[in-house]
This record gives sequence, structure tokens and C-alpha cells, in this order.
Amino acid sequence: DTAVSQTPKYLVTQMGNDKSIKCEQNLGHDTMYWYKQDSKKFLKIMFSYNNKELIINETVPNRFSPKSPDKAHLNLHINSLELGDSAVYFCASSQALRVFKPDTQYFGPGTRLTVL
Amino acid sequence: AQKITQTQPGMFVQEKEAVTLDCTYDTSDPSYGLFWYKQPSSGEMIFLIYQGSYDQQNATEGRYSLNFQKARKSANLVISASQLGDSAMYFCAMREGGAGNQFYFGTGTSLTVIP
Repeated sequence: DTAVSQTPKYLVTQMGNDKSIKCEQNLGHDTMYWYKQDSKKFLKIMFSYNNKELIINETVPNRFSPKSPDKAHLNLHINSLELGDSAVYFCASSQALRVFKPDTQYFGPGTRLTVL
Repeated sequence: AQKITQTQPGMFVQEKEAVTLDCTYDTSDPSYGLFWYKQPSSGEMIFLIYQGSYDQQNATEGRYSLNFQKARKSANLVISASQLGDSAMYFCAMREGGAGNQFYFGTGTSLTVIP
């Protein structure tokens, strides 16, 4: 009964390959996110979806493409992987934005991507 | 300007002592939320505590409390009676009420609890 789950937990692959990371939340939240955490532990938002619609799309290479088949899922597909893509990728979710009470964001366990 | 600033890259505290982790924020939105997360060496991000900008009282959750000083725009995390299991990275974050869904994270503070 994990709230936010990601698969796989570890992903090791060669440069140039295409890979996907899946994320699912069973909290009934409307908003989902993808973050990248680099080796210095800095968390950078990549994408945010609200009810399957893209809300935030930070400056990330277009090799990264999020896909939200429904509001409980937000998958991340990465084409032509590069060495610099090695990082931990976190999926997260939160309830829809409410002006007077911004809601807590809950994170998945993370996916450690290593590009060789 | 940085939305969230954590000025302490690393902190040490003796077991059973209290420790304060600093966080300042920058926003012109009157409605916002402040959050603290813990990331142990195992890597998961654990939500600890939340403070809303309209909340009159400082938030508390067990041994965690948030020292919210609105005029100073600070939201320091206080951990009382530190335990060895508190050793982790701690991230301060903010979500603005009127600016979309984005959460802003600080650079984190690494806390080490010494036996």
C-alpha cells in the first residue's frame, strides 16, 4: 500500500540507450512531479502535471519526455541517454493547488540511474 | 534570488541535544507553505513538518518543531533530543499559493548526530 511508487529502483544502462521510469500514486492526488537529484544532493524540478496536463516544464533536454496516461501515473521516458543523466530521479505527488493551504508533497523512493 | 536558502551545509550535534537547522525564504505571495524533508542515507525523501503562512502557531510534530518567524522570512527546524537515526540530509522547501504547482527546495543541510 505504498503511497508513491517508482520502478525500477536502480537502472544501469549504456550511453545512447532509451529508458523509462514509471511512477504511480494511490493517494488520489491531482498533481505529480519529476525531480532530478544530482551527486551534490541538489533537487531540481523537471516536470509537473496537474490532472494529466503539463503545468511546469523546466529547462530540461527534450530527450526527456513525461507521459501521464491518467492522473495516478506519470512516467518519464529518456532518449539517447548521456553520462550527465546519471542521477537519482524522484517522482512526487500532491493534492491540487489550494490557494490558502498549499499541500504537502509526497515522494517516491527514487530511481538511481547510472549511465555508463 | 534564491527562493529557499539553507546556509548550513553541515551540522553536528551530540546525541540527546537539540539542534536548529536554518532556513530562510523569499516570496511576495501572501499565501505559501513551508516544508521540511529528511533524506537518510538510504535515499528516500521523508516529509517531516509543514507550516502554512496563515498559521498562527508554530508547527510541531513529535520531536520536530518549526520556528516560524514570518517577518524575518525564516522557518528553522528544531529537532529536540537528537537520536543517531536523525543523521541525514534535511531539506527546506516552499510552495507558493498563487504561482502554480512548483515546490522550491533549498540545498540541504547534512546533520550528523554524534554518540
